[in-house]
Amino acid sequence: NAGVTQTPKFRVLKTGQSMTLLCAQDMNHEYMYWYRQDPGMGLRLIHYSVGEGTTAKGEVPDGYNVSRLKKQNFLLGLESAAPSQTSVYFCASSEDRYTGELFFGEGSRLTVL
Amino acid sequence: KNEVEQSPQNLTAQEGEFITINCSYSVGISALHWLQQHPGGGIVSLFMLSSGKKKHGRLIATINIQEKHSSLHITASHPRDSAVYICASPFSSGSARQLTFGSGTQLTVLP
Repeated sequence: NAGVTQTPKFRVLKTGQSMTLLCAQDMNHEYMYWYRQDPGMGLRLIHYSVGEGTTAKGEVPDGYNVSRLKKQNFLLGLESAAPSQTSVYFCASSEDRYTGELFFGEGSRLTVL
Repeated sequence: KNEVEQSPQNLTAQEGEFITINCSYSVGISALHWLQQHPGGGIVSLFMLSSGKKKHGRLIATINIQEKHSSLHITASHPRDSAVYICASPFSSGSARQLTFGSGTQLTVLP
């Protein structure tokens, strides 16, 4: 039972390069989220989706784009990476809007030089 | 925006001790999450509670909605409990499932 899978797990980019993080869940969840985690700070929501074909901005959306073309996949894109986007990125999913348990991926560590 | 504060930030305990981690939040909410982040970085959900108390094994979570406060207790602590414990509550009372996360409590249990 895979749960939530993120790829890649590690990536090093140069400033200005682009990349896409893939989140896949096999639990048929409607709700999916992308967070970033920085030292000394709590997880912060970047973007989220409440169903296939929908996306919405979270707390820190600038510099990121997302797409949810298929229910099981939620993609996070960096069009022009900046050193400030060096972080650990977590994807999560849940079945219910308000009360569902959150299931997290293992995280993707991104370094932008 | 909901402000979420955890205490203590760091906690070192001897194996077998009873541990309490506290979480306070500023916006009245209907549910609060407790998460555990392993040393390897993975995050798992421990509890989600909206009132009273929940128990799972040696872990107990309580919440007082009126006081906007929750606690996570670990009984008979073990070195494998060493992890970062994170609480999270909805961003606002009308939030569409956005959560505000505390910065976490680093727990180290010594053998």
